[in-house]
Amino acid sequence: VQLVESGGGLVKPGQSLRLSCTASGFTFGDFPMSWFRQAPGKGLEWVGFIRSKAYGETTEYAASVKGRFTISRDDSKSIAYLQMNSLETEDTAVYYCTRAIRSGDSPYYFDFWGQGTLVTVSS
Amino acid sequence: QSVLTQPPSVSGAPGQRVTISCTGSSSNIGAHYDVHWYRQLPRTAPKLLIYDNNNRPSGVPDRFSGSKSGTSASLAITGLQAEDEADYYCQSYDLSGVYVFGTGTKVTVL
Repeated sequence: VQLVESGGGLVKPGQSLRLSCTASGFTFGDFPMSWFRQAPGKGLEWVGFIRSKAYGETTEYAASVKGRFTISRDDSKSIAYLQMNSLETEDTAVYYCTRAIRSGDSPYYFDFWGQGTLVTVSS
Repeated sequence: QSVLTQPPSVSGAPGQRVTISCTGSSSNIGAHYDVHWYRQLPRTAPKLLIYDNNNRPSGVPDRFSGSKSGTSASLAITGLQAEDEADYYCQSYDLSGVYVFGTGTKVTVL
């Protein structure tokens, strides 16, 4: 299993950025995918989640990004996306994509992580 | 924004046993949601260490074990090794619909 994030960079407040997560080594369409972030020197924060097509590709988001960030997926390309709009300085972080998995109907945990991509929001 | 509380740091000599606590509330760990643990080596991505409270993914040595009781969980590392120096995070789910993490614990091998 390999997850590779791309698309990070330096943007100004209010601007947009789209991150990509290219997956390999597993049947991408069978798994939910999630995004996390880690601000410099800080802990981990869940950003959002997209279920598989079998579950309607429905999404969930943290309150801090809801309405500004959108997660989508292209199963034909094995890519998950994180569209980030109206970026704020507080969004500066390393962004990780992960594969989600669970036991039965329990909430998910995250068994494989990408290496992360840095997003810096600064004027 | 972390909902689960961990000690900022723990330390031990090589070969010793250390434990990391993870304290939540009735809306997450106490609501019977499972606890998972991740290890983050310096300048690398987190890696799953323990899932569903006390299960190890393939490749994780049995020096690592987890437990859960009430509104808390803990991670134990026995036979501490230099390569165990890292940040450790617990994770669970909250009734509010959010995946929550602990504040993180830095393990130092003396």
